[in-house]
Amino acid sequence: EVQLVESGGGLVKPGGSLKLSCAASGFTFSSYTMNWVRQAPGKGLEWVSSISHSSIYIYYADSVKGRFTISRDNAKNSLYLQMNSLRAEDTAVYYCARIYLVYSIRDAFDIWGQGTMVTVSS
Amino acid sequence: EIVLTQSPGTLSLSPGERATLSCRASQSISSGYLAWYQQKPGQAPRLVIYGASSRATGIPVRFSGSGSGTDFTLTISRLEPEDFAVYYCQQYGSSPWTFGQGTKVEIK
Repeated sequence: EVQLVESGGGLVKPGGSLKLSCAASGFTFSSYTMNWVRQAPGKGLEWVSSISHSSIYIYYADSVKGRFTISRDNAKNSLYLQMNSLRAEDTAVYYCARIYLVYSIRDAFDIWGQGTMVTVSS
Repeated sequence: EIVLTQSPGTLSLSPGERATLSCRASQSISSGYLAWYQQKPGQAPRLVIYGASSRATGIPVRFSGSGSGTDFTLTISRLEPEDFAVYYCQQYGSSPWTFGQGTKVEIK
């Protein structure tokens, strides 16, 4: 079964750091571009970051550029998001999501994890 | 950045009725790089349509997508009880990838 499972969310103080993980299974992880998408409570979806299958291409939303770092370990079938200098407005459910087309760097997101909640509050 | 505006914000319909959801882009989306997602409360989004008009795996034929350039439409021909949800459009033609604010399809 194709699956993505996020972990690492929790409560953190403003200015703090957190590292999210996404474990992939059921498909050839190393062939797909992966993404992080977030959703603030009661709000819509916001794309956060993308990383190509070989980590050559990396993109960030302006709202997180310079504070968040996306990475992957294809040997461990895992995706990561290191979040530093966290702000209250970063509070959201964070989803990892797979690009639909193998080896593509742009496409729809066809597989999503269940999400992990990050709360930034003092 | 391409801004996507979805309308209406809420659509109140009965099962069996036709739903027509609109997504308008602030600039032309190249090569029809537009997707639609369905999200139910407490669940992750689910891909419904990609490439503006292609149904994702497992999506019933009552869902169809159309449009090009700046105007796109998601149509649900006859609403089933499980179709009541929030629908988001997303463009992936130009970074940053952006989502619309969502249309809620609710039971009338």
